[in-house]
Amino acid sequence: NAGVMQNPRHLVRRRGQEARLRCSPMKGHSHVYWYRQLPEEGLKFMVYLQKENIIDESGMPKERFSAEFPKEGPSILRIQQVVRGDSAAYFCASSIDRGRFDQPQHFGDGTRLSIL
Amino acid sequence: AQTVTQSQPEMSVQEAETVTLSCTYDTSESDYYLFWYKQPPSRQMILVIRQEAYKQQNATENRFSVNFQKAAKSFSLKISDSQLGDAAMYFCAYRENFGNEKLTFGTGTRLTIIP
Repeated sequence: NAGVMQNPRHLVRRRGQEARLRCSPMKGHSHVYWYRQLPEEGLKFMVYLQKENIIDESGMPKERFSAEFPKEGPSILRIQQVVRGDSAAYFCASSIDRGRFDQPQHFGDGTRLSIL
Repeated sequence: AQTVTQSQPEMSVQEAETVTLSCTYDTSESDYYLFWYKQPPSRQMILVIRQEAYKQQNATENRFSVNFQKAAKSFSLKISDSQLGDAAMYFCAYRENFGNEKLTFGTGTRLTIIP
């Protein structure tokens, strides 16, 4: 059973460009979480999605950031008009049905976004 | 809002010795989960151990064990017989049992193993 797959592993963008980060959850997982890790810091929650629904986006900046988890395909974290401060590692995690609270989140290897 | 505090930015331990990493948290909930994650230089997030707040017995996983003090809101990780492969950043994390399942992380402790 493949784990959580994130791509690309590394992404370089110039200021003002758009960044798209992809996350394919583990098979059978319907919950996706995005976290951001700034250099030398812990992970900070950004957004929690289920298929076609955003459940909690309280950690996501109000502007330039958006996330989706369509019925088919991976979850996408999109950052428009990137700035230097967006440079970070972005982690995706997935978990199984919400009713089974003893199931932990499984993390992908992250996407390291560098803004030139 | 829940907060997680790791007051030791760095720790070091001699190989084969025992080390304890500290974590405290703040919550008004009575039922929740606590986790320790390991992040080696490869940046993977690896689940080390988890504790359910309603369970009084401390969780153990091989060389890793926790000391969960619910009243004190303390959740420390003990690593016995430290090995070179244990060198990593260690993050303590909290999650509610009901409602949103997002994880709240501490700022991490960098563990160095001295050969």
